[in-house]
Amino acid sequence: DIQMTQSPSSLSASVGDRVTITCRTSQSIGSYLNWYQQKPGKAPKLLIYVASTLQSGVPSRFSGSGSGTDFTLTISSLQSEDFATYYCQQSYSSPVFGQGTRLEVK
Amino acid sequence: QVQLVQSGAEVKKPGASVKVSCKASGYTFSGFYMHWVRQAPGQGLEWMGRINPNSGATNYAQKFQGRVIMTSDTSITTAYMELRRLRSDDTAVYYCARSPPDGSGSILDSWGQGTLVSVSS
Repeated sequence: DIQMTQSPSSLSASVGDRVTITCRTSQSIGSYLNWYQQKPGKAPKLLIYVASTLQSGVPSRFSGSGSGTDFTLTISSLQSEDFATYYCQQSYSSPVFGQGTRLEVK
Repeated sequence: QVQLVQSGAEVKKPGASVKVSCKASGYTFSGFYMHWVRQAPGQGLEWMGRINPNSGATNYAQKFQGRVIMTSDTSITTAYMELRRLRSDDTAVYYCARSPPDGSGSILDSWGQGTLVSVSS
């Protein structure tokens, strides 16, 4: 199975900050990497798919990059509604999720 | 709009089975895979498997092989996930989520609201 390493596990930031979350896979997956946002008590929401494509309706402050084994999710200017947990997920083979990054208010 | 509406919370005893349903609307049910993902309290997301409602073909995560059965009924656009021989560590919120057909991988673009399954003696 492909292993996912997501970092950091938690992150404190302020509104307006630029935030970057990293996901690394144990083998090359091309661009088969997706990002989700989850708020407490809610289902995950797809943000970005195939590494860099923004899901319809997702604000443009979210962006994704990377290929192979190293990927990043960037929020260019953090808004209050962005405080949540973020997961990466590889879709190269049977889906596997990263451990999650909890983004908290500093 | 796409909607996935799941059945309500369940409380089960160890050793029992649970069957969770996921009613789909707003799209062509047979044209998308349906996945099941679970989340234990305070933990991350764990993929359990998927079904192709068009063919009935399933793929299960190795961890759940022999204990999970995923089915679908295209006449009522509903997918089901049955988990047998429940243990206390099966306590979790169970989500259904759809993905487009293979080609771009399992992109889970719409999710149900989740069903809490509690397993306790």
